Amino acid sequence: DVVVSQSPLSLPVTLGQPASISCRSSQSLLRSDGKTYLSWFQQRPGQSPRRLIYEVSNRESGVPDRFSASGSGTDFTLKISRVEAEDVGVYYCMQGSRWPGMFGQGTKVEIK
Amino acid sequence: EVQLVESGGGLVQPGGSLRVSCAASGFTFSDEYMDWVRQAPGKGLEWVGRIRDKSQRYSTEYAASVKGRFSISRDDSKNSLFLQMNSLKTEDTAVYFCTRDHRGAGESWGQGTLVTVSS
Repeated sequence: DVVVSQSPLSLPVTLGQPASISCRSSQSLLRSDGKTYLSWFQQRPGQSPRRLIYEVSNRESGVPDRFSASGSGTDFTLKISRVEAEDVGVYYCMQGSRWPGMFGQGTKVEIK
Repeated sequence: EVQLVESGGGLVQPGGSLRVSCAASGFTFSDEYMDWVRQAPGKGLEWVGRIRDKSQRYSTEYAASVKGRFSISRDDSKNSLFLQMNSLKTEDTAVYFCTRDHRGAGESWGQGTLVTVSS
């Protein structure tokens, strides 16, 4: 199975400051069809997860443009340009390129 | 608007069975792969399984932790997804989410249904 690892697991951030989360997979997520199924999810306290990013860098409709993502192969990054109070929660990366799909451990973003 | 509404969770004894359901609306359900994902209390997310569409003969995949015990099915005529859980263990206690696979897995999520396995 592909193992997905996130870092850091805890991320205290000052309001208005940037934040970055890393996600690494044990195998390349590039499929033979040229697609890379690496997604990012946000789970606010008490809520269901919400997909922010699909296929490495594509923002879902309605996701603020302060969220951006990049990467390829085995290394991926989610960035928040200026953290706002509503961004508090746990962020998960997930690989869907190879079955079984696998989530990272989650990164808890909190305000300092 | 895509909506996924899970139901059927509850308390069940170890070794017991339970069937949870997911009612889908707002999209062409029959065209989409659907997944079940679970989250144990205070823990992270875990993929449970997937069912593909008719063109893929409704083929299924399961996580190793549930293979042989859980079964996913769907009724496209009723826009419904099901998860049959047998031989339940205490470690299966979790909120179970159904999710839509569109441009990759997890595009939409329901609110989840809590399954508690305890004596």
